[in-house]
Amino acid sequence: DIQMTQSPSLLSASVGDRVTLNCKASQNIYKNLAWYQQKLGEAPKLLIYNANSLQTGIPSRFSGSGSGTDFTLTISSLQPEDVATYFCQQYYSGYTFGAGTKLELK
Amino acid sequence: EVQLQESGPGLVKPSQSLSLTCSVTGYSITSNYWGWIRKFPGNKMEWMGYISYSGSTSYNPSLKSRISITRDTSKNQFFLQLNSVTTEDTATYYCARYPLGRRYYFDYWGQGVMVTVSS
Repeated sequence: DIQMTQSPSLLSASVGDRVTLNCKASQNIYKNLAWYQQKLGEAPKLLIYNANSLQTGIPSRFSGSGSGTDFTLTISSLQPEDVATYFCQQYYSGYTFGAGTKLELK
Repeated sequence: EVQLQESGPGLVKPSQSLSLTCSVTGYSITSNYWGWIRKFPGNKMEWMGYISYSGSTSYNPSLKSRISITRDTSKNQFFLQLNSVTTEDTATYYCARYPLGRRYYFDYWGQGVMVTVSS
């Protein structure tokens, strides 16, 4: 199975900060990666698919990059409503998920 | 708007079967693929399986002997049954939709239902 490792597990940032979250695959997954946001008590929401494609309706401050084994989700200017847990998912071979990064306000 | 809602018992005894329902509104389950995913305490997530628009299924090999996903198109619901549960099946269970024509990522999820396996 392909393992997905996210870092950091907890991130504190201030409103307006540029925030970078990382996801590393245990083998080459090309661009077969999605990012999700999950707020407390809510359903996960798809943000990014195919590593860098923005899902319809998602604010443009969210962006994804990377290919192969290393991927990044960037929030260009953190907003209070972005407090959530973010997790990645590969779909190159089966489906496996990262354990998430919890993003909080400093 | 597409909405998914999981329902089912929150407590199941070891060795019994876990049965969950995913009720879908705003979209027909006779289109797309529909999946079940679970999140364990500690946040590890596992894809469990899916059912297609035609009723065909695919399961995680680690669960293949215990899992069944079925549907009722008249009620626009699909179901998860997991047999012979143990405490290791304690998790939050999510149902989700794959985008049309793609079995890759999930574009709509339910809020999840927490299931505890305990005597």
